[in-house]
Order: sequence, then structure tokens, then C-alpha cells
Amino acid sequence: AQKVTQAQTEISVVEKEDVTLDCVYETRDTTYYLFWYKQPPSGELVFLIRRNSFDEQNEISGRYSWNFQKSTSSFNFTITASQVVDSAVYFCALRSLYSGGTSYGKLTFGQGTILTVHP
Amino acid sequence: DTGVSQDPRHKITKRGQNVTFRCDPISEHNRLYWYRQTLGQGPEFLTYFQNEAQLEKSRLLSDRFSAERPKGSFSTLEIQRTEQGDSAMYLCASSLNQGAKAGGYNEQFFGPGTRLTVL
Repeated sequence: AQKVTQAQTEISVVEKEDVTLDCVYETRDTTYYLFWYKQPPSGELVFLIRRNSFDEQNEISGRYSWNFQKSTSSFNFTITASQVVDSAVYFCALRSLYSGGTSYGKLTFGQGTILTVHP
Repeated sequence: DTGVSQDPRHKITKRGQNVTFRCDPISEHNRLYWYRQTLGQGPEFLTYFQNEAQLEKSRLLSDRFSAERPKGSFSTLEIQRTEQGDSAMYLCASSLNQGAKAGGYNEQFFGPGTRLTVL
């Protein structure tokens, strides 16, 4: 079975601080995707980033960056120079890549981390 | 607006009543997913369709729940004899599955959700 764990329930920072959201996952599949989604107070899930399991290169996209380490099954997400508009619930999610996987098609989400950025 | 739409956005019902939700996916998307999100938790997979075929159902989908996608376009999720434990946000997502040739990746776009309250 797949499992995603976000140990941080809530994080509070002051604007312009950097913040890292932790994510640890479990899967028996060898090929999979990892995602980060943002859920603002309006409720709609917004896709942020994805990473496939066979590419451990870490990247930066604007103020977002991520650190994928397959050896520790972690997929951490960093927001640089946080802004008040970043306040939301952030979800890490996992999905099998191919139909031979145990959970093909569906996303498995973590419990979410509530991020509050104070002005 | 060409995103995923859901109707209604809010539904309040009394225990024992039947409710039906509708999801209209992005027009060219052949996959449609239903998730349920309870307060303070991440979304949990319920079921998904490829065109009109229902390919996977979660154990969370009890006999009181039924989903359809009759023409491979919009989908409905019906809950019969609602219980207070059914109170949650019901999220719909859609994606375009282009198969293994396209790398198997198909990002899911989420709708705004239907918030169900069972009194």
C-alpha cells in the first residue's frame, strides 16, 4: 500500500522567511510520481510541482524548490522569501506511473501542512 | 472558464436523505476522479473513470455510494441514505491519459469541490 506522511501539522513564519515543508512516502512501486499541491482557503487544489522517481535532480522554479531523495523516501518542498499569499494548506501526493503499479491512476495524499505567513 | 466544475458547491441534507453531485471535467479529458476530503485531512481517493468505464473503486466507496459517467463526459456521484460521517468535501479531478507512449504522465486538475453537511 502507498502512504504519504507530512509530519508538520502547522508552520508559522514571518514574511520573507524561507520555509521547508517535509514529506516522506512509502510505496512498493519502482516508478512513480511525487507532487505538491496547494489548497488556499477557497478550497480548490492547485498543482505546484511534480517529480518522477527516476530523476532525482533537484530544481528551482521561481520561489519554489524541491529536494527529492529516493534513498530516504523524502520529497521536501521549499518556498523562498515567503509571502502572505503563500498561506494555505500544502499537500504532498504520490502516484504510480504505470498500470503494473499497485495504485495506478489515483493520487495518495498526505495529511497536509497548514502554512501561515504573517506580514 | 474551461476548468473542472462541480455542482452544487454546498449541500446541506438531513440524515437518511439521498444526494447527488455533478462534475464536469475539462472537455478533452478522458479520465475523471472522485476524492473525499474530511476536515484536517488530505483528499482520499474514491473512484475513477476512463471514458465511461469505472476502472477502480476504493474500499471507502460503500454500497451507499454510486458513481456514473454515462457518456464519458460529466459524472455524477450519488450517496444514498446519508449518514453524518458522510459530511466532507467531495472533490472531482480530470486528466488526459495519453498512455505509455506519452510517458504515462497525466496531471490531475481539480474542481472547487462540493461541501456536504449531513445534519
